[in-house]
Amino acid sequence: GAVVSQHPSWVICKSGTSVKIECRSLDFQATTMFWYRQFPKQSLMLMATSNEGSKATYEQGVEKDKFLINHASLTLSTLTVTSAHPEDSSFYICSASRLAGGGFSLREQFFGPGTRLTVL
Amino acid sequence: AQKITQTQPGMFVQEKEAVTLDCTYDTSDQSYGLFWYKQPSSGEMIFLIYQGSYDEQNATEGRYSLNFQKARKSANLVISASQLGDSAMYFCAMIREYGNKLVFGAGTILRVKS
Repeated sequence: GAVVSQHPSWVICKSGTSVKIECRSLDFQATTMFWYRQFPKQSLMLMATSNEGSKATYEQGVEKDKFLINHASLTLSTLTVTSAHPEDSSFYICSASRLAGGGFSLREQFFGPGTRLTVL
Repeated sequence: AQKITQTQPGMFVQEKEAVTLDCTYDTSDQSYGLFWYKQPSSGEMIFLIYQGSYDEQNATEGRYSLNFQKARKSANLVISASQLGDSAMYFCAMIREYGNKLVFGAGTILRVKS
């Protein structure tokens, strides 16, 4: 159980286009989903936290208009990279949690397999 | 603010030997959780082991054990009997009691030699 999928697993796009990445919790309801960005051989950087039915909370320095996050249902969150540029090329990982805000969840943040974005 | 420090950018270990990956953390919270994740070249994040700040015993999961020294604020991962498949990036992470965000360390690349 607790499987999280991401689609697509990789995408190549031209500069200036928008790309949508989907994150789905397949066998549980995810009240909270997280989006991370990771550059090669570096750590995961949290971009934003999204709760179902409400606006995402972005980390400092992350452009809200650039990275649009929608968490429309308890099993789906999407990240749209708008007007992508080569510097947006990265590995994007989502994770899903059963938590609804506070509380002390230990193992219940499950990661998707990631999406590799390359912007030409 | 919470901070995780992994001071070993890369490590080599001989197959079948044990290896320790270091992790120190900084927090003013009394209650928190510590995690270790493995990230192979495919990119997926694999949960390995968890330790709660109030757990008196060190966590163990198969070949993985967590050497938790609360006073020193360290949570080192010990992998026993290393296998070639253990070659990956390893991340130490922390979560606050009343938070849901994971704070990650910089990671350690482990290479297992045959």
